[in-house]
Amino acid sequence: EAQVTQNPRYLITVTGKKLTVTCSQNMNHEYMSWYRQDPGLGLRQIYYSMNVEVTDKGDVPEGYKVSRKEKRNFPLILESPSPNQTSLYFCAIGGGNQPQHFGDGTRLSIL
Amino acid sequence: DAKTTQPPSMDCAEGRAANLPCNHSTISGNEYVYWYRQIHSQGPQYIIHGLKNNETNEMASLIITEDRKSSTLILPHATLRDTAVYYCIVKIYNFNKFYFGSGTKLNVKP
Repeated sequence: EAQVTQNPRYLITVTGKKLTVTCSQNMNHEYMSWYRQDPGLGLRQIYYSMNVEVTDKGDVPEGYKVSRKEKRNFPLILESPSPNQTSLYFCAIGGGNQPQHFGDGTRLSIL
Repeated sequence: DAKTTQPPSMDCAEGRAANLPCNHSTISGNEYVYWYRQIHSQGPQYIIHGLKNNETNEMASLIITEDRKSSTLILPHATLRDTAVYYCIVKIYNFNKFYFGSGTKLNVKP
């Protein structure tokens, strides 16, 4: 069964303090994505990756970075977090011609 | 960019079929229809997808009209655990961009 592990699940931090949300998978999927979910705005794709060292912007990439150095991991990096990045974040695996499977989410609060 | 239109909410009695409509009048020939659901703030869960033929799996059935401009997700015997927000998405099959719209909040009532 597809397993997507995000860490941390919850984080409260302050403006400007760099943070990384990790995402790992056990399925060797080529495709991985990051989404954020905000009330009234639904799920919006931040970045996606089609394979190692291949990433592309989604709809709301500003303020975020990603890396895909190995197939298993796809971390989301906030170099200088701001309060407008307070949100619920989901990592997903699969895409292309396969359905996506989502992680349990990471709730970030940036004060 | 959502490309789909769904009613914001629907009610369904427990044990009855839930029929969730989706309008995608601008769908292209190479775009598939996908359905996901999200229970509370959990990660969205894949349900089913199809191109033009009707599809069925252990969770649901997907009925796509002949002109492909609309579809219906059918949960044959809704339970309280089916209460969730259901998202209809159209996507090119081998493309990796997913656009989640506002979805339909399905309330299954005893």
